[in-house]
Amino acid sequence: DIQMTQSPSSLSASVGDRVTITCQASQDISNYLNWYQQKPGKAPKLLIYDASNLEAGVPSRFSGSGSGTDFTFTISSLQPEDIATYYCQQYDNLPPRLTFGGGTKVEIK
Amino acid sequence: QVQLQESGPGLVKPSQTLSLTCTVSGGSISSGGYYWSWIRQHPGKGLEWIGYIYYSGSTYYNPSLKSRVTISVDTSKNQFSVKLSSVTAADTAVYYCARSVSGYDIFDYWGQGTLVTVSS
Repeated sequence: DIQMTQSPSSLSASVGDRVTITCQASQDISNYLNWYQQKPGKAPKLLIYDASNLEAGVPSRFSGSGSGTDFTFTISSLQPEDIATYYCQQYDNLPPRLTFGGGTKVEIK
Repeated sequence: QVQLQESGPGLVKPSQTLSLTCTVSGGSISSGGYYWSWIRQHPGKGLEWIGYIYYSGSTYYNPSLKSRVTISVDTSKNQFSVKLSSVTAADTAVYYCARSVSGYDIFDYWGQGTLVTVSS
């Protein structure tokens, strides 16, 4: 199975800061990488699909990049409502072996 | 707007079978084009994909759970279900149902999740 290593596991930043999260795949997954936001007690919400495509209705301060094995998720200017845990998810397997990263908890400093 | 809603017992005894149903509204499972998944999250932990089903009944399962999982679909009720047999405390989790576009395993709609506790 493809393993997804997400880092850091948690971070603390100030409002307005640029926040970066990385996700590394154990093998080449092309651009088959999605990012989700999960707030406490809620279901995950799709933010970025296929590594860099912004889901409709998601603020433009969220962005993603990368391909192959190394991917980056960025919040350009952290807002209080961005406090959440963020997960990457790959889907490069046939038959499917969908896996998620371990998550990054983002807090306000 | 597609909505998914999980339902089922919140407490299951060890060695028994966990059964949950996801009711889909705002769209028809039988229209095709989507896979319907079950995903779980152990308390305070990350996300684990359990498996998914197409409206035709084709299924794919996480190999780590395959021996214990069955996912089925009832297009007449616009529902799909999961059964997990021989449960232990390690199966205690929030269970989510979710939708992904066929061929693109991108989960665009999720249910709110339901906590299932395995305990005697």
